[in-house]
Amino acid sequence: ELKVEQNPLFLSMQEGKNYTIYCNYSTTSDRLYWYRQDPGKSLESLFVLLSNGAVKQEGRLMASLDTKARLSTLHITAAVHDLSATYFCAVPLSKSYNTNAGKSTFGDGTTLTVKP
Amino acid sequence: DGGITQSPKYLFRKEGQNVTLSCEQNLNHDAMYWYRQDPGQGLRLIYYSQIVNDFQKGDIAEGYSVSREKKESFPLTVTSAQKNPTAFYLCASSVETGLGTDTQYFGPGTRLTVL
Repeated sequence: ELKVEQNPLFLSMQEGKNYTIYCNYSTTSDRLYWYRQDPGKSLESLFVLLSNGAVKQEGRLMASLDTKARLSTLHITAAVHDLSATYFCAVPLSKSYNTNAGKSTFGDGTTLTVKP
Repeated sequence: DGGITQSPKYLFRKEGQNVTLSCEQNLNHDAMYWYRQDPGQGLRLIYYSQIVNDFQKGDIAEGYSVSREKKESFPLTVTSAQKNPTAFYLCASSVETGLGTDTQYFGPGTRLTVL
């Protein structure tokens, strides 16, 4: 059974600081997804990481994937209040190249609060 | 505008009732999914469908049923057999591109409460 663990589950940080969220998973997978969820809202796709060593950046967020270590990180640089949200990683259940994105196991999420 | 719509946004159910949640997409995606989200937790897959007239159980299918008669529609019925249905329900669809990337889109969600 595939298990996906995120840590920390709750993160409170000051504006302007840097921090990293970790996503560990238990079985081999060739890709990983990061999503953002605002309170009471749906999920928004942030990153799709497709291979070992993949790194993607969007604004103050940078995601990386190490498939050998079964680890992905989401790094936050110089946090701002607008980044306050819950961040989920999700790992597909199959190693297939044509893995369907939706058949994934989600972590429990990291709730980030950025304070002035 | 292309996207996924879910209705209703809020739904109240009495014990013993069946209720149906609507999910419609105009993205021309083949695959559609239903997830359940409980407070403070991630998403759990209820059912998914990769093509019309075919669907598969996810991790927590008991007490739920679906149909996929049209490509754009994937309704979810929460039956009276589902003992704890109060949750936030999210519908999603996805496409696989030839370059190996895949993109998943989520609907706005339906919040179901059992009275």
